[in-house]
Amino acid sequence: DVKVTQSSRYLVKRTGEKVFLECVQDMDHENMFWYRQDPGLGLRLIYFSYDVKMKEKGDIPEGYSVSREKKERFSLILESASTNQTSMYLCASSGRQGEVRQETQYFGPGTRLLVL
Amino acid sequence: DAKTTQPNSMESNEEEPVHLPCNHSTISGTDYIHWYRQLPSQGPEYVIHGLTSNVNNRMASLAIAEDRKSSTLILHRATLRDAAVYYCILSRSNYQLIWGAGTKLIIKP
Repeated sequence: DVKVTQSSRYLVKRTGEKVFLECVQDMDHENMFWYRQDPGLGLRLIYFSYDVKMKEKGDIPEGYSVSREKKERFSLILESASTNQTSMYLCASSGRQGEVRQETQYFGPGTRLLVL
Repeated sequence: DAKTTQPNSMESNEEEPVHLPCNHSTISGTDYIHWYRQLPSQGPEYVIHGLTSNVNNRMASLAIAEDRKSSTLILHRATLRDAAVYYCILSRSNYQLIWGAGTKLIIKP
């Protein structure tokens, strides 16, 4: 079974703090994703990575950065947290090398972040 | 970008089949149709996907219209554990998915 783990289920931070959200997958997947999910807005893609050290902006990258130094790990960074970044953050991975199509995404349990 | 349209919510009785509709009138020829579901307090999980032909797996069946402008996810015998938000999604490229608002499925005992 694919396993995607996220470093915390719940996190409380103060405005202006630097926040690190970690995601690890154990299936040797090429692609990794960070989404945020807000009521009524569904899942919105923040950043994704299709290879180590590679990153691509998603639909809402402002206020976020990412790091992928190792294939299994994808980090989301909030350089200076703000209250409008209070949300559920979901990490996903997909795609083994050699697969023709790689869309099936496997999700972690999510991190609920509250910025005060 | 291709988008999907789903009802906000649906109700069904336990042990009965459920048909969840999805419209995707702007789908392009190479877009795959995916379904995911999200149980309360969990991340989304993959259910099924297809391109043109109907598909079956252990979780559900996917019926795709001949013109591909709509599809239906079929749960053959709903249980209380199937209560979730179901997302109908089109693939943007080889690894990106375009998420909509989903349908909240309520199962009545």
